[in-house]
Amino acid sequence: QVQLQESGPGLVKPSETLSLTCTVSGASISSYYWSWIRQPPGKGLEWIGYVYYTGTTNYNPSLKSRVTMSVDTSKNQFSLRLSSVTAADTAVYYCAREASSSSSNFDYWGQGTLVTVSS
Amino acid sequence: QSALTQPASVSGSPGQSITISCTGTSSDVGGYNYVSWYQQHPGRAPKLMIYDVSSRPSGVSNRFSGSKSGNTASLTISGLQAEDEADYYCSSYTGSSTYVVFGGGTKLTVL
Repeated sequence: QVQLQESGPGLVKPSETLSLTCTVSGASISSYYWSWIRQPPGKGLEWIGYVYYTGTTNYNPSLKSRVTMSVDTSKNQFSLRLSSVTAADTAVYYCAREASSSSSNFDYWGQGTLVTVSS
Repeated sequence: QSALTQPASVSGSPGQSITISCTGTSSDVGGYNYVSWYQQHPGRAPKLMIYDVSSRPSGVSNRFSGSKSGNTASLTISGLQAEDEADYYCSSYTGSSTYVVFGGGTKLTVL
């Protein structure tokens, strides 16, 4: 059974960097595309970007200047870094697996982790 | 403002059928057969209900079906049940640097 689990600080100060890690179990990270998706409180979903096991990345143009994603195949983990955060970055952050490339078909999701940006 | 347009809310009585629309453009919904639908209960992660416009993942009830006409995709739920009450989101591959766009979500109320 494929499971994804997000981890990282729940509180980040404005202008600092948000860092999250997603640990994958039940599947090898050396396949598929792995995405981060966020959801501000009471609002809809926003795709942040994906990372492939080779290290290839693709980011949402609206966040591209602040986003970095990476993968650690030895730990079956992938990570998100979002710099210069503001209150607008407060959201539940989900990691998800895309079942096939270029499909918008996210078949497995983590439970989500709320990150609040506040001083 | 979301890239894909969904109605904010729909409602129906148990046993009835409802349809949720998802309108995009020829650059996303209309250009690819890569529309997905997700169900989200409060405080829970989204769950994939439909992919590739009309395919159902294993374990998803056949009461859920998807279709597409032009730039508009639709999710139909037949035989409404109380447990179907949730938020529903559509998504589409875009083929551009935006890659994936979501709808704003539709709140389904089972009366």
